[in-house]
Amino acid sequence: KAGVTQTPRYLIKTRGQQVTLSCSPISGHRSVSWYQQTPGQGLQFLFEYFSETQRNKGNFPGRFSGRQFSNSRSEMNVSTLELGDSALYLCASSWEGPTDTQYFGPGTRLTVL
Amino acid sequence: AQSVTQPDIHITVSEGASLELRCNYSYGATPYLFWYVQSPGQGLQLLLKYFSGDTLVQGIKGFEAEFKRSQSSFNLRKPSVHWSDAAEYFCAVGSFSGGYQKVTFGTGTKLQVIP
Repeated sequence: KAGVTQTPRYLIKTRGQQVTLSCSPISGHRSVSWYQQTPGQGLQFLFEYFSETQRNKGNFPGRFSGRQFSNSRSEMNVSTLELGDSALYLCASSWEGPTDTQYFGPGTRLTVL
Repeated sequence: AQSVTQPDIHITVSEGASLELRCNYSYGATPYLFWYVQSPGQGLQLLLKYFSGDTLVQGIKGFEAEFKRSQSSFNLRKPSVHWSDAAEYFCAVGSFSGGYQKVTFGTGTKLQVIP
């Protein structure tokens, strides 16, 4: 079966802009989690969606938001981009949630100039 | 609050040598414990996980990990490393409480394999 896909794979934006990232989970998976990966901080949890509801949220400012659609596809949005938002954004899907086996996509590399 | 420490940022081993990657966690109850691997340019892949039962867990690619409650550790081992094992390895601790699931990742250990 097809794996987790993320689009786009690479993005370059400037400070102050906003960006939307997309994640298509493995068919049948209802949970989608988002992580920010940076060299200094490792993987930081952003939020988790399950059946269109946000179940959990990490310690990120309100500029970071997300949603999940009825087909389990998920998007995350970052508004008013800052230089520090440059990172690899990973999404992971699973049947029941993060404590289940998570299947990760290849990530979207965001560069903020 | 739960946390994970991977004390080794970078490890270099010779091909064919044994490997042990260290992981210490902090969590009050019995945790879910995971090891994931990330190859360059790829997402993460689960190697193995532990929640209950036998404290020695077998995973994919010949890896195993042992849960030691008294030491709050979940170290990853492989008896003989292959060049293709060069990657970054992440330990993670998970909890399930009140309907909320949370997984916290360590900062990773980068493994270099030399011929």
